[in-house]
Amino acid sequence: AQTVTQSQPEMSVQEAETVTLSCTYDTSESDYYLFWYKQPPSRQMILVIRQEAYKQQNATENRFSVNFQKAAKSFSLKISDSQLGDAAMYFCAYRPRSGYALNFGKGTSLLVTP
Amino acid sequence: NAGVTQTPKFQVLKTGQSMTLQCAQDMNHEYMSWYRQDPGMGLRLIHYSVGAGITDQGEVPNGYNVSRSTTEDFPLRLLSAAPSQTSVYFCASRRDQGPTEAFFGQGTRLTVV
Repeated sequence: AQTVTQSQPEMSVQEAETVTLSCTYDTSESDYYLFWYKQPPSRQMILVIRQEAYKQQNATENRFSVNFQKAAKSFSLKISDSQLGDAAMYFCAYRPRSGYALNFGKGTSLLVTP
Repeated sequence: NAGVTQTPKFQVLKTGQSMTLQCAQDMNHEYMSWYRQDPGMGLRLIHYSVGAGITDQGEVPNGYNVSRSTTEDFPLRLLSAAPSQTSVYFCASRRDQGPTEAFFGQGTRLTVV
């Protein structure tokens, strides 16, 4: 069974600062995908960034980047220049290449203060 | 651009009642899934489908049935609602087995009293 662990139930960051959200996962697969989803109060699930396990380069999307450490099974999300609109629940998710659905962590609630 | 459409958005049921949560997607995606979201639990997989006529159970399937007669629709049936099924339900779809994005509906908040 694959499990995804987000050890920080809540995080807080000041506007314009940088914050890192942690995620670890457990798997025996070698080929898989990792995702970070954002869920604002509207409840809509929004893809933030994705990483393919066989790609060594860390994914980047504007102010969002990941630190993917395959050997350590770690996949953290860094948000730079935080904005008030970044306040949301963030979910880390895993899917093996042969899998059919996502396996989610329990989420980290991010508060952004002015 | 409808994407994934879930209905209803909110529902209150009495214990023992049955109902169907509707999910439709217009992107011709083969893969569809149902999740439930509970506080502090993340999203957990209920059932999934890899194409019309093919469904399988996820992590928490008890009390739920699904069918997939068309590519577009993937309804979730609660046969006899229980308070433990109070939750927010999400339907999702994606195109293929690659690292493609899963698109989510806006969710259904279900309360069973």
